[in-house]
Amino acid sequence: QKEVEQNSGPLSVPEGAIASLNCTYSDRGSQSFFWYRQYSGKSPELIMSIYSNGDKEDGRFTAQLNKASQYVSLLIRDSQPSDSATYLCAPKGSNNNDMRFGAGTRLTVKP
Amino acid sequence: GAGVSQSPSNKVTEKGKDVELRCDPISGHTALYWYRQSLGQGLEFLIYFQGNSAPDKSGLPSDRFSAERTGGSVSTLTIQRTQQEDSAVYLCASSLGYGGPSTDTQYFGPGTRLTVL
Repeated sequence: QKEVEQNSGPLSVPEGAIASLNCTYSDRGSQSFFWYRQYSGKSPELIMSIYSNGDKEDGRFTAQLNKASQYVSLLIRDSQPSDSATYLCAPKGSNNNDMRFGAGTRLTVKP
Repeated sequence: GAGVSQSPSNKVTEKGKDVELRCDPISGHTALYWYRQSLGQGLEFLIYFQGNSAPDKSGLPSDRFSAERTGGSVSTLTIQRTQQEDSAVYLCASSLGYGGPSTDTQYFGPGTRLTVL
C-alpha cells in the first residue's frame, strides 16, 4: 500500500463547475495535511493546509479532513482554466517532521 | 524576502560523471528537503535535514547519492557516477520546521533539471 494515494487523473471539469480531488493516506498518526498545486514545468506551491477534522474554506478552495477514514479532499468551486494543474496531497508523518507527497491528480478545467 | 534558490538551473552531464546540486533555503528555516521528480511523475522524497539532527536518508535511491548541509543552511546533493536514469528535476524545499502546524509549510526552489547523456 502506498503511503499517500491519489487518483492520477486526468480529471476534466467544465469552467464554473466544482472540482473534487481526493487523497487517502496510510499513516494513521498524521496530524497535518497540505495541498500543493504544481503548474507544468513549475515548482509546487501551497494551496491549503488543514489539521482538524471537518472543513476548512479559503476563497474558492475547501479542504475536508476525516482522520478516522484517513481521507483528505480538496474542493475547488467555480473552477477556472487557470486552476488547470497537478494537485499534490501531502500528509505530515507522525514519526518525524518529513512529509510524503502523493503522485498528484492532474486537473484540466475546460473553458 | 528571498525564497529558496537552487543552482544550477540546468545541468547536462555525461554518464559516469559526478554532479553537485546546491540549495540555499530561506533564512531561518531549520528544515530542508530534497526531492526528485521525473517527467510526468510525482515527487520522490530523497533526504530531509532538521536542524543539527542526523538527516533522514531513507529516500536516497542508492549509495551514489549523498547530501550534506553545512552550518544548518546551504545544502549540496551529490550524485556520483551518474546514470541516465538519474535524469530528472531535483527540487529543494525548506520550512521553519519547529514541528507546529503553522511551521510545516514547505517552500520550494525552482529546481535543477539534470540531464545525463
